[in-house]
Amino acid sequence: GENVEQHPSTLSVQEGDSAVIKCTYSDSASNYFPWYKQELGKRPQLIIDIRSNVGEKKDQRIAVTLNKTAKHFSLHITETQPEDSAVYFCAPDSSYKLIFGSGTRLLVRP
Amino acid sequence: SAVISQKPSRDICQRGTSLTIQCQVDSQVTMMFWYRQQPGQSLTLIATANQGSEATYESGFVIDKFPISRPNLTFSTLTVSNMSPEDSSIYLCSVEGGREANTDTQYFGPGTRLTVL
Repeated sequence: GENVEQHPSTLSVQEGDSAVIKCTYSDSASNYFPWYKQELGKRPQLIIDIRSNVGEKKDQRIAVTLNKTAKHFSLHITETQPEDSAVYFCAPDSSYKLIFGSGTRLLVRP
Repeated sequence: SAVISQKPSRDICQRGTSLTIQCQVDSQVTMMFWYRQQPGQSLTLIATANQGSEATYESGFVIDKFPISRPNLTFSTLTVSNMSPEDSSIYLCSVEGGREANTDTQYFGPGTRLTVL
């Protein structure tokens, strides 16, 4: 089955700095690569996704880059704000299911 | 995105009892899923709820413990049977293939926080 690894497990940045979270996967057939944000006590929320025919996608301060050859994709958050503090999960698809990474706890220090 | 509700939002149950969690969507969706999220952990897929047929369970999850119903394209239930304290977790439903054109995308319900004493 799909093996998904996410790094780092925790990340602390100063407000205004950038944050990068990386996800590696094993299933070469994966074609869909979403990132979810989960605030404490809340449901996971889709923040950005990318499909295998695209190398990069940007939405305001958030971007996702995909390297299908190396089987990894990354979440980039620029100009971080305290409200970006949350747990972030990658969830590449495999056999029509999403396989969630272990999560990255991001703390943005004011 | 689809509006998804779950009932109950939380419950405290005695060991040995069963709890049925409901998931309701405001539009017809092709796929519905049930996940478990233990405290401080990631999401683990329990099963895919198939409309009109039996659910498809992931490794480590069995129908006798987690029976699932999907009577139509907007509703599903998950029952946690013969509960033990190890079943204490958040249970989340998700849906795919609603109004959105991109049918890969999954949206989550608010979750049900279950505590078993």
